[in-house]
Amino acid sequence: QSVLTQPPSASGTPGQRVTISCYGSRSNIGGHAVDWYQQLPGTAPKLLIYKNNQWPSGVPDRFSGSRSGTSASLVISGLQPEDEADYYCAAWDDRLNGPVFGGGTKLSVL
Amino acid sequence: EVQLLESGGGLVQPGGSLRVSCAASGFTFSSYVMAWVRQAPGKGLEWVSGISGSGGITFYADSVKGRFTISRDNSRNTLYLQMNSLRAEDTAVYYCAKDMVGTVPDYFDYWGQGTLVTVSS
Repeated sequence: QSVLTQPPSASGTPGQRVTISCYGSRSNIGGHAVDWYQQLPGTAPKLLIYKNNQWPSGVPDRFSGSRSGTSASLVISGLQPEDEADYYCAAWDDRLNGPVFGGGTKLSVL
Repeated sequence: EVQLLESGGGLVQPGGSLRVSCAASGFTFSSYVMAWVRQAPGKGLEWVSGISGSGGITFYADSVKGRFTISRDNSRNTLYLQMNSLRAEDTAVYYCAKDMVGTVPDYFDYWGQGTLVTVSS
């Protein structure tokens, strides 16, 4: 069981807006920034959002992140077929003294 | 171009040992925290261990503490993970990851392609 909680699946049609949530506690999201990773099938994870809402170079601004209290959200606007992937949230955890990941959300583009 | 290339994975019996390596290039290796993150077959990501740029500070997940040892050789731009007393639940793809910035292994901007470690008799 993962320390951060994500819905196991999400879906949308091309062009739609999809939101993926991530729930934690005071020891992780409640006190630290949240990062998001995208993992395309058969590939290594890729940093998508860091420090709640910052984009690494090359990531389109269709992807956006936010954090409030002990939860965070990833919003994908203008959904595209190539967005079909697994998405993971992550945050530092003070009790575990390391980063913790959510269980991942499998996004399907219908 | 940043590249991380893992090696050393394979099949090992329960209770056995294995060392995986990660050869880094394209950045000043000694300036960055590095980490290992694993993914069991069909499962999510799990952070395993991290190490400061100098190698003097290490971090471990509770699940591997006392069994795994992370180290680095900055002269060879190489990261290591020595895994002892391996268990079936350690079976996973092990990714080497570079921390983006900072002094703790918190978020990772480059990942290797992974090396598969299978613990089975």
